[in-house]
Amino acid sequence: DAKTTQPNSMESNEEEPVHLPCNHSTISGTDYIHWYRQLPSQGPEYVIHGLTSNVNNRMASLAIAEDRKSSTLILHRATLRDAAVYYCILRFSGGSNYKLTFGKGTLLTVNP
Amino acid sequence: SAVISQKPSRDICQRGTSLTIQCQVDSQVTMMFWYRQQPGQSLTLIATANQGSEATYESGFVIDKFPISRPNLTFSTLTVSNLSPEDSSIYLCSVLDHHEQFFGPGTRLTVL
Repeated sequence: DAKTTQPNSMESNEEEPVHLPCNHSTISGTDYIHWYRQLPSQGPEYVIHGLTSNVNNRMASLAIAEDRKSSTLILHRATLRDAAVYYCILRFSGGSNYKLTFGKGTLLTVNP
Repeated sequence: SAVISQKPSRDICQRGTSLTIQCQVDSQVTMMFWYRQQPGQSLTLIATANQGSEATYESGFVIDKFPISRPNLTFSTLTVSNLSPEDSSIYLCSVLDHHEQFFGPGTRLTVL
């Protein structure tokens, strides 16, 4: 599986935007970029995913570099509830291999 | 999105015994997954369970230690056998629904 690299931790203030980076220099053309987050004492939850174009949903935005070797998850206005571990994961889009391989993720702390 | 429940939510077991964890989904799904999350660590995939076929185990996990059943499209069980303190972890069930994975709340196992 292609590998992703994320900072171990980041800190933000409430109501401010947060940009969570992810490097994936060995990404292949058929890999989707997925973001999940895990709130304390809960299972991971889906945040967003994309292939080539930037994506927006009600939770976040995903900005994908033109060469696809990096991406950034953007939380437009952080709240205390956004404090979680954020995982950037590459998933092969072909065949029936839907499994997700989790790295260490980024622990986001949101200060009031 | 699929809603997943797990039983038990937590348990304390003696070494040498076994624990069976149940995973129930509110809709029919083809693919189910079992993950382990050791204290302070990320998630590790144990196996993929498809209805009507043998589970597919990841490297380092074997059927004798982690037998899995998948009797229908809404239910699966994971048994952790011959427990040792090293098996103390959170075990999470996950399902693939509309090309995204959804996770249960997890079962926290402590082995004494």
